[in-house]
Amino acid sequence: DTGVSQDPRHKITKRGQNVTFRCDPISEHNRLYWYRQTLGQGPEFLTYFQNEAQLEKSRLLSDRFSAERPKGSFSTLEIQRTEQGDSAMYLCASSLAGTGDGYTFGSGTRLTVV
Amino acid sequence: GEDVEQSLFLSVREGDSSVINCTYTDSSSTYLYWYKQEPGAGLQLLTYIFSNMDMKQDQRLTVLLNKKDKHLSLRIADTQTGDSAIYFCAERGGSQGNLIFGKGTKLSVKP
Repeated sequence: DTGVSQDPRHKITKRGQNVTFRCDPISEHNRLYWYRQTLGQGPEFLTYFQNEAQLEKSRLLSDRFSAERPKGSFSTLEIQRTEQGDSAMYLCASSLAGTGDGYTFGSGTRLTVV
Repeated sequence: GEDVEQSLFLSVREGDSSVINCTYTDSSSTYLYWYKQEPGAGLQLLTYIFSNMDMKQDQRLTVLLNKKDKHLSLRIADTQTGDSAIYFCAERGGSQGNLIFGKGTKLSVKP
């Protein structure tokens, strides 16, 4: 297992377009998290899954954002009708529920909306 | 609500010790974490401490937790230029699955 993988690493899109990001967690981890990080800020929680169930969504996750984890393995995060304010690093992390071992983060997808 | 505060910058000389401080608000936090982020990279877990512990040492890293004051610190002994990065403190609440991060402390190590 090579850790948490995110694809793509970078995405440049025009305002109004839809984008989709993918995250492949560590295979034995049952929890998967999405965070957003803007310049000079710490990561902000967006949503998380335990297996295929989406257990919590932040108020930051507007109606234009949707996340799925259909088979409890990889996850996708889609942003519809992108806005310039969506430009950020989108980080995915995974963990094993019931342990305090912390989350393993991927390298992130940097989104630039022009 | 939950909040994690950190000073934004710290500058030290190579070979000195660095101490990065953090305060948090959620008294039900079960675990507290320190992450390191280098430019353009994701977050790397450095160490964590369970809330019933006062101290944890891991090689050059020492974490001190004052639960009464809700204060967490990370000490890096013999700081090296490779330690230059942004360090994030994070808490995990008792009932929540997600981590709440501070804004990060940028550590600059001068030769």
